[in-house]
Amino acid sequence: AQSVSQHNHHVILSEAASLELGCNYSYGGTVNLFWYVQYPGQHLQLLLKYFSGDPLVKGIKGFEAEFIKSKFSFNLRKPSVQWSDTAEYFCAVSGTGRRALTFGSGTRLQVQP
Amino acid sequence: DGGITQSPKYLFRKEGQNVTLSCEQNLNHDAMYWYRQDPGQGLRLIYYSQIVNDFQKGDIAEGYSVSREKKESFPLTVTSAQKNPTAFYLCASSIEFVGSYTEAFFGQGTRLTVV
Repeated sequence: AQSVSQHNHHVILSEAASLELGCNYSYGGTVNLFWYVQYPGQHLQLLLKYFSGDPLVKGIKGFEAEFIKSKFSFNLRKPSVQWSDTAEYFCAVSGTGRRALTFGSGTRLQVQP
Repeated sequence: DGGITQSPKYLFRKEGQNVTLSCEQNLNHDAMYWYRQDPGQGLRLIYYSQIVNDFQKGDIAEGYSVSREKKESFPLTVTSAQKNPTAFYLCASSIEFVGSYTEAFFGQGTRLTVV
């Protein structure tokens, strides 16, 4: 069975600080990887996705993630966070053996002005 | 506007009652999903459907039921057998199964409270 681990449950940063959120997955086959974000009071929306090719993926709002197959990781990064990045971030994985997204437990990011 | 509509936004239910959550999409997507979101647990898959008249149990299907009679609709019934139904419920859809290089789109959610 596939699983996703997000080790940072709650992260507090000041504006302009750099961000890295960890995501590790467990799955034996070919995977598709996603980061979703849930801003307060808003619906879940896609930040970025990896299907194949360049392991460094760029998404919306200056976010990027790197797929490291040997480490089963897909960490999310942003060089300089803004107060508007305050939200909950979810890593998710899907694959040929699992016809739906499996989500991690989420990381709540709080950016202080 | 294309999207996924969940209704109602807030729902209150008395213990022992069944309740049905609505999910409608006008994206012409084949696949639809129901997730439950609880604080600190992320999103857990309840049921999913690849095509009309077909659906499969997810990780936490006990106490829930679904139907897929129309492509655009995937209602979820929370039955009295669900031990802890108070949660935030999210519906999603994708062009085809997410394992096929597609992403899922989500509705605004329904917050169910058992009183």
